Amino acid sequence: AQSVTQLDSHVSVSEGTPVLLRCNYSSSYSPSLFWYVQHPNKGLQLLLKYTSAATLVKGINGFEAEFKKSETSFHLTKPSAHMSDAAEYFCVVSDRDTGNQFYFGTGTSLTVIP
Amino acid sequence: DAGITQSPRYKITETGRQVTLMCHQTWSHSYMFWYRQDLGHGLRLIYYSAAADITDKGEVPDGYVVSRSKTENFPLTLESATRSQTSVYFCASSGTTYGELFFGEGSRLTVL
Repeated sequence: AQSVTQLDSHVSVSEGTPVLLRCNYSSSYSPSLFWYVQHPNKGLQLLLKYTSAATLVKGINGFEAEFKKSETSFHLTKPSAHMSDAAEYFCVVSDRDTGNQFYFGTGTSLTVIP
Repeated sequence: DAGITQSPRYKITETGRQVTLMCHQTWSHSYMFWYRQDLGHGLRLIYYSAAADITDKGEVPDGYVVSRSKTENFPLTLESATRSQTSVYFCASSGTTYGELFFGEGSRLTVL
């Protein structure tokens, strides 16, 4: 069965310091993986996606994530946090064995301290 | 404006009433989805649709009904609302299998 585990429900960083949001997944051989961001009272917006091309994926706003099959991980990073990065982040997995369904992690709330 | 829109954005209703949440997209995407978002659960799939007149159950379909007579519309109906259906509901669409999901801004439903 497919599943997604976001290892931290809440992360706090200081402005200008690196961000690491951790995600592990359980899936079949060929998953598609996504990170979405949700600002307060808004819908979710795609940050980046992995679909079996390059394992290091670059997204919007300076975020990137690395697909590590041996570790079944897809951690999200950013070198330097900005105040506007404060939001909820969701890791999502989808794979061909389940049809067009997307499985969401429970989210990581990122706080950026000035 | 182009995109995916949900209405109403906020709704308060009473137990036992019927409620319909509307979702409209302007991209002619084949796939549409309804999710509910609750604290500690992330997003859970209620129903999805691969095309007009094709719908299927997700993880938490009980108490909900959907229809899709036109590609651009995917309404979600709560036939007899219960307090446990108090939640934020998100509609999403996707133009390709396993592709990006585009989300509406959500409908916040409170059932008293």
